[in-house]
Amino acid sequence: GDSVTQMEGPVTLSEEAFLTINCTYTATGYPSLFWYVQYPGEGLQLLLKATKADDKGSNKGFEATYRKETTSFHLEKGSVQVSDSAVYFCALSEDSNYQLIWGAGTKLIIKP
Amino acid sequence: EAGVVQSPRYKIIEKKQPVAFWCNPISGHNTLYWYLQNLGQGPELLIRYENEEAVDDSQLPKDRFSAERLKGVDSTLKIQPAELGDSAVYLCASSRGSLGGNEQFFGPGTRLTVL
Repeated sequence: GDSVTQMEGPVTLSEEAFLTINCTYTATGYPSLFWYVQYPGEGLQLLLKATKADDKGSNKGFEATYRKETTSFHLEKGSVQVSDSAVYFCALSEDSNYQLIWGAGTKLIIKP
Repeated sequence: EAGVVQSPRYKIIEKKQPVAFWCNPISGHNTLYWYLQNLGQGPELLIRYENEEAVDDSQLPKDRFSAERLKGVDSTLKIQPAELGDSAVYLCASSRGSLGGNEQFFGPGTRLTVL
């Protein structure tokens, strides 16, 4: 079945460092890919998405590119801030069933 | 546009007591989801509704959990009786579903503590 694998956390970086959180997937069809963020004590928020190969999703300085050849959707940000500290979830959805398949989440800690 | 509304935000009960959670999705979203999220883990789907029909309830523990979405708008998730292991955050999400788009929007969740 479909699955999503994320790099294990926590990931600890200093402010203004470059961020990469790896995400790879397996799917039978052509899924849409998502990154969700969960700030401490809050619900899940959609950060960005991509619906087809080579699409780049971007929001709040974060970017991820849908790479079909490597089945990856890595999250990147050029310069992180303390306020980016949160748990980040990679997920996929096959259009046929509208169900999200989730990664385990990666906790990001940014130190000033 | 208002987001997904959930209530209560927090609930503390003793084991064997009943509890209910309420969710009002984004207006016009015909697909509604209930998830369970344990600390440090991703959400686990409990049930998915298309309008008033439960189209995927395979992960719902039906011996103690029940859900309804009678008019295809708001929904209630119930646990009776609650067990210690039910302590978790219960998330509701909605999407346009078959109307176009599988992007899910989440409510803030209800944090349940069973003592």
